[in-house]
Amino acid sequence: RKEVEQDPGPFNVPEGATVAFNCTYSNSASQSFFWYRQDCRKEPKLLMSVYSSGNEDGRFTAQLNRASQYISLLIRDSKLSDSATYLCVVNKGSGNTGKLIFGQGTTLQVKP
Amino acid sequence: GAVVSQHPSWVICKSGTSVKIECRSLDFQATTMFWYRQFPKQSLMLMATSNEGSKATYEQGVEKDKFLINHASLTLSTLTVTSAHPEDSSFYICSARDTSGRDFARGQYFGPGTRLTVT
Repeated sequence: RKEVEQDPGPFNVPEGATVAFNCTYSNSASQSFFWYRQDCRKEPKLLMSVYSSGNEDGRFTAQLNRASQYISLLIRDSKLSDSATYLCVVNKGSGNTGKLIFGQGTTLQVKP
Repeated sequence: GAVVSQHPSWVICKSGTSVKIECRSLDFQATTMFWYRQFPKQSLMLMATSNEGSKATYEQGVEKDKFLINHASLTLSTLTVTSAHPEDSSFYICSARDTSGRDFARGQYFGPGTRLTVT
């Protein structure tokens, strides 16, 4: 079983749509969770951290369910510029090691 | 914001040669840097943790004699792919962690990556 699993998609949605991505992780000791965005042939960029209480940043909302070891990302009012691959990321092991485990990524294509 | 640079951004080399990739933190000190590799349509895979002034620690399955890591200063780590072969062709990305580590969520910064092609 992969340490971090995501549906690779692709998700093809029209502009203005709401889209949700899900992710599960296997290590119950993980303490830090993130969503990164990666554009084609570029390095990943941090989109947002994910907190147990859930957090929102503009059109983006992230949720964490520790009991189910499940993370989600909701994008509202999709823009063409949101087209990218979204990576679910979990820290490896417990503690603040800095080692990150990346999911395979979910590809989003927003169409006009 | 913090910036991490990598050099070269892309390199083509012949099979059997060695290639060195540099990762620099430009405006902060990094006692720890990480090296990742990404094959086409796959996710980033952590290869090793580069520790300033000590030996790197490698993830399971990564050959330390093939991927030599040197972290000689607080702002520079190098990855040398020795005797490269076509299967080593990949996108190599480093990340650097701010020494202060005050804000872990924001404290790891990725370089722009180096695309290696071995012919």
